[in-house]
Amino acid sequence: AQKITQTQPGMFVQEKEAVTLDCTYDTSDPSYGLFWYKQPSSGEMIFLIYQGSYDQQNATEGRYSLNFQKARKSANLVISASQLGDSAMYFCAMRVSYSSASKIIFGSGTRLSIRP
Amino acid sequence: GAVVSQHPSWVICKSGTSVKIECRSLDFQATTMFWYRQFPKQSLMLMATSNEGSKATYEQGVEKDKFLINHASLTLSTLTVTSAHPEDSSFYICSAENRGDTQYFGPGTRLTVL
Repeated sequence: AQKITQTQPGMFVQEKEAVTLDCTYDTSDPSYGLFWYKQPSSGEMIFLIYQGSYDQQNATEGRYSLNFQKARKSANLVISASQLGDSAMYFCAMRVSYSSASKIIFGSGTRLSIRP
Repeated sequence: GAVVSQHPSWVICKSGTSVKIECRSLDFQATTMFWYRQFPKQSLMLMATSNEGSKATYEQGVEKDKFLINHASLTLSTLTVTSAHPEDSSFYICSAENRGDTQYFGPGTRLTVL
């Protein structure tokens, strides 16, 4: 079965510290993609970072980096130098293939709160 | 990144009425659009996938006669909640992609059924 698991329902982090949000996945597809999205209280889904299953290097986008460990089937998000504006829900997601199309399935999310 | 809009951003309706939500890709052609539903403090659940010019593919447990999806052009998909009831109250989010590229999400529509 294809599944995304986020085991941290909530996290509190001091401003300017780095934070790691955990994500593990399960799929039998050899080709897949992993995403992280941020959802602030306004509800919009903001794309943060993408990692393809065949990518040799871990993805990085500014303060965001994805710690991709394929053998462990984990794709943790690392946010460096956290800011108050980083407080939001964070969803790990995986693109899975079915028929001739693909779809994205989401984990349950982690609520990150940054303390000043 | 690409821009996807949704209209309306929120809607309140009486039980038994139908509500239409529009999803538009503003600066790219979306070969595929997706409709999600999100209950408070929960994750996004995919409802259906729509490809331009063809019938939508619904996820298991989603009533296709209740949630009508039309993807008439490469930039517009609509979701109509027919005969809405209070249990249909939720946050509905669409996303759009172009040939398997990254999905870009709309800002969502909050539906409240009285």
